[in-house]
Amino acid sequence: SQQGEEDPQALSIQEGENATMNCSYKTSINNLQWYRQNSGRGLVHLILIRSNEREKHSGRLRVTLDTSKKSSSLLITASRAADTASYFCERTSYDKVIFGPGTSLSVIP
Amino acid sequence: EAGVAQSPRYKIIEKRQSVAFWCNPISGHATLYWYQQILGQGPKLLIQFQNNGVVDDSQLPKDRFSAERLKGVDSTLKIQPAKLEDSAVYLCASSLEVHTDTQYFGPGTRLTVL
Repeated sequence: SQQGEEDPQALSIQEGENATMNCSYKTSINNLQWYRQNSGRGLVHLILIRSNEREKHSGRLRVTLDTSKKSSSLLITASRAADTASYFCERTSYDKVIFGPGTSLSVIP
Repeated sequence: EAGVAQSPRYKIIEKRQSVAFWCNPISGHATLYWYQQILGQGPKLLIQFQNNGVVDDSQLPKDRFSAERLKGVDSTLKIQPAKLEDSAVYLCASSLEVHTDTQYFGPGTRLTVL
C-alpha cells in the first residue's frame, strides 16, 4: 500500500509506562510528522522531523528517523491517561502527503 | 490566533442527495487540504490547494466530488450525489507553505449517508 504501515495497530499500557509506535514507508520522503487525534476531534501536530535529521525531542516525546530502513518511531515516556488517543505519522514525498493508518493508544490509570 | 474553522460539524443526508462543506483556514496560510477519514482509518488526502491553484487532487473522486478555493482563502467541498460509502469525517487543514510545513486541522464535519 502507498500508505506504508504503522504498528502496532493498538497498544494498551499502564500509566507511567513508555509507549513506542512505529511507522514504515515505501518511498523517499522530504519530512515526516507525527500527529495525535483524540476521539471525535481533529488532528493535532506533535513533532516534525526532516529527512536529514535522525532524532528529535519535544517534552516527553522522542522521534527517530532511519531513512535507510524507511522507518520512524515515536516514543512517549512516562505516559499519562491524557495520552490516550490515536497517533498518526504523515509523510511528505515530492508532491504527495500520506497518512498512515494510525496506532490507537490506551493508557490505563 | 484563530484556528481552522469548519461547518457544519455534523450532517445527515440520504444517498443521492447533495452536500457541501465549508472551511476557513488560518489567516495567511497559503496551503489548504481536504481529507476524508473513514472510521478506524488514517486521513486520506482528497485535494490540496496552494493559494487557489490545485496541487494534488489525484484521490478525489471527480465524478461526484468537487472543491474550490475562491480568492485563495475559504474553500468548499461538495459531494453530488452522495453514496453510502461517503460516510466519514471530512477534515480541513491549512499550512503556511506546501510540502514541508505543519498542518493545522479543523474539528471536521461528520457526514452520515443513509
